[in-house]
Amino acid sequence: KAGVTQTPRYLIKTRGQQVTLSCSPISGHRSVSWYQQTPGQGLQFLFEYFSETQRNKGNFPGRFSGRQFSNSRSEMNVSTLELGDSALYLCASSPLAGGTGELFFGEGSRLTVL
Amino acid sequence: TQLLEQSPQFLSIQEGENLTVYCNSSSVFSSLQWYRQEPGEGPVLLVTVVTGGEVKKLKRLTFQFGDARKDSSLHITAAQPGDTGLYLCALTSYGKLTFGQGTILTVHP
Repeated sequence: KAGVTQTPRYLIKTRGQQVTLSCSPISGHRSVSWYQQTPGQGLQFLFEYFSETQRNKGNFPGRFSGRQFSNSRSEMNVSTLELGDSALYLCASSPLAGGTGELFFGEGSRLTVL
Repeated sequence: TQLLEQSPQFLSIQEGENLTVYCNSSSVFSSLQWYRQEPGEGPVLLVTVVTGGEVKKLKRLTFQFGDARKDSSLHITAAQPGDTGLYLCALTSYGKLTFGQGTILTVHP
């Protein structure tokens, strides 16, 4: 069974730009969650999508958005990038919604904002 | 205020030593998960504990859930360099999985 795939693995952007990250969940998983990981804040929940609907959202500004497609693939977008957005963005899929089951994480997309 | 407090934040030990990592909350939780994240990888689930007082073993790793279900510990016996990584505890709160800050473990050969 293929794992969670995130693209791109690494990217460098400059302040003010926008970025789109992609996540393909494990086949059959309908829940996709996104987390931001930084050395100072640890793993912070961004949002969760289940069956194309956003179920939950973390405490992040509106510059962070996401969506999920009918095949459960998900994208997240960050607009007007700031230096503080530099982080590892992790996607996790699960057969269950609401963080009640095991999360299967991808390897992450490492974003550097210059 | 962090929902989950993990300690210690950093741990650097020699191969063969034992260690314990702690995860504490001021609230009672129904279940708790432990994950390990190796450099360049995403976190991987090690275990889920659900019953107060529960002890689970995974080879050299022993996980304990406190009787009051407000704390948990992870004990590693005879640590090996392959145990190096970030250890995270997590619980479900308000419909999402919330993680502690993690313990960075380095085991030197």
